[in-house]
Amino acid sequence: AQSVTQLGSHVSVSEGALVLLRCNYSSSVPPYLFWYVQYPNQGLQLLLKYTTGATLVKGINGFEAEFKKSETSFHLTKPSAHMSDAAEYFCALGNTDKLIFGTGTRLQVFP
Amino acid sequence: DTGVSQDPRHKITKRGQNVTFRCDPISEHNRLYWYRQTLGQGPEFLTYFQNEAQLEKSRLLSDRFSAERPKGSFSTLEIQRTEQGDSAMYLCASSFGRGKHNEQFFGPGTRLTVL
Repeated sequence: AQSVTQLGSHVSVSEGALVLLRCNYSSSVPPYLFWYVQYPNQGLQLLLKYTTGATLVKGINGFEAEFKKSETSFHLTKPSAHMSDAAEYFCALGNTDKLIFGTGTRLQVFP
Repeated sequence: DTGVSQDPRHKITKRGQNVTFRCDPISEHNRLYWYRQTLGQGPEFLTYFQNEAQLEKSRLLSDRFSAERPKGSFSTLEIQRTEQGDSAMYLCASSFGRGKHNEQFFGPGTRLTVL
């Protein structure tokens, strides 16, 4: 069965610090992977996606993620956190025509 | 392009009542999805349409739930005889084309509270 696991339901960083949000997946077929961000009372916005090709994917707002097949991981990083990055982040796996989401990681950024 | 819109944004109802939510997708998108998100969880797939055809329904979608997409444009999700366990955020998304790599654009959601 296909699944997504996000390690750490809450992550706290200081402004300017590295952001690392972890995502591991399980898939019997080559995966398509996504990171979405959700701000309070808003829908989900796509940050980036991996389909095929280059394993380092760059997204919006300075985020990037690296697909590592050997580790079945797709961790999200940002070199320097901003206060505006505080939100909930979801990793998702494309399964035929629908998305399978992880449980999410809430990112807090402290000044 | 105004994005995916959902109405209402919030709905409070009493147990046993029926509720209906509406989703307007991005105009050229042929696929429309419904997800449910409960507190502390990621969105869970409920159902999706390609044009007006409902192609897949999750086991989460009990007999009390029905979704339609007449004429392949907007969609409605109706919940009959609501239960407290139905309290959740209901998210709609749309995409163009098919396949698991296509980006889904999400609406702001309808938050349902069943008292």
